[in-house]
Amino acid sequence: EAGVAQSPRYKIIEKRQSVAFWCNPISGHATLYWYQQILGQGPKLLIQFQNNGVVDDSQLPKDRFSAERLKGVDSTLKIQPAKLEDSAVYLCASLAFRGAAGELFFGEGSRLTVL
Amino acid sequence: QQQVKQSPQSLIVQKGGISIINCAYENTAFDYFPWYQQFPGKGPALLIAIRPDVSEKKEGRFTISFNKSAKQFSLHIMDSQPGDSATYFCAASIQGGSEKLVFGKGTKLTVNP
Repeated sequence: EAGVAQSPRYKIIEKRQSVAFWCNPISGHATLYWYQQILGQGPKLLIQFQNNGVVDDSQLPKDRFSAERLKGVDSTLKIQPAKLEDSAVYLCASLAFRGAAGELFFGEGSRLTVL
Repeated sequence: QQQVKQSPQSLIVQKGGISIINCAYENTAFDYFPWYQQFPGKGPALLIAIRPDVSEKKEGRFTISFNKSAKQFSLHIMDSQPGDSATYFCAASIQGGSEKLVFGKGTKLTVNP
């Protein structure tokens, strides 16, 4: 079973520039998440999709961050304009309904450095 | 507001020793407590999880101990191995599932040979 795919793995940009990250979840997983992991901290949920609809985007800084999941499969996360504090690893995860609790499967992440 | 407090931030253990990582929470609505393991350059992966209706769960060398009255839970790694060197995150959620997990800040474990 292929895992969650993310690209690019690394991106360096200057502040005020824009960047986009792509995620392809595990086949058949309807629920997809984007997490932000700042160095030395745990992942923080940014947005949750169910198929192509947004379930929770309460922690997404909507003045600069946007995300979409067209056709309920791939998803993109965009940051425009980027700030220094956006330097982090952006993790995509999809949810498998295994057992009562389900299980999150994470991609390897996209590391963003904002200079 | 940090909803799950994890300690220590880093831990060094000798091979064969016991590694213990602790987490505390305030929200009594939490009812699912997983631990995730993350190797450098990789995403977190589910290691073991517990619900508050049991006080302990063991899977191989990994054990979760849960104290509902104290609102604390801990991960014990018995016979720690160098391959266990990773960052460990505790997490919690409501509704008994993996949706909307709140993560601790992580513990970097180093197991020396």
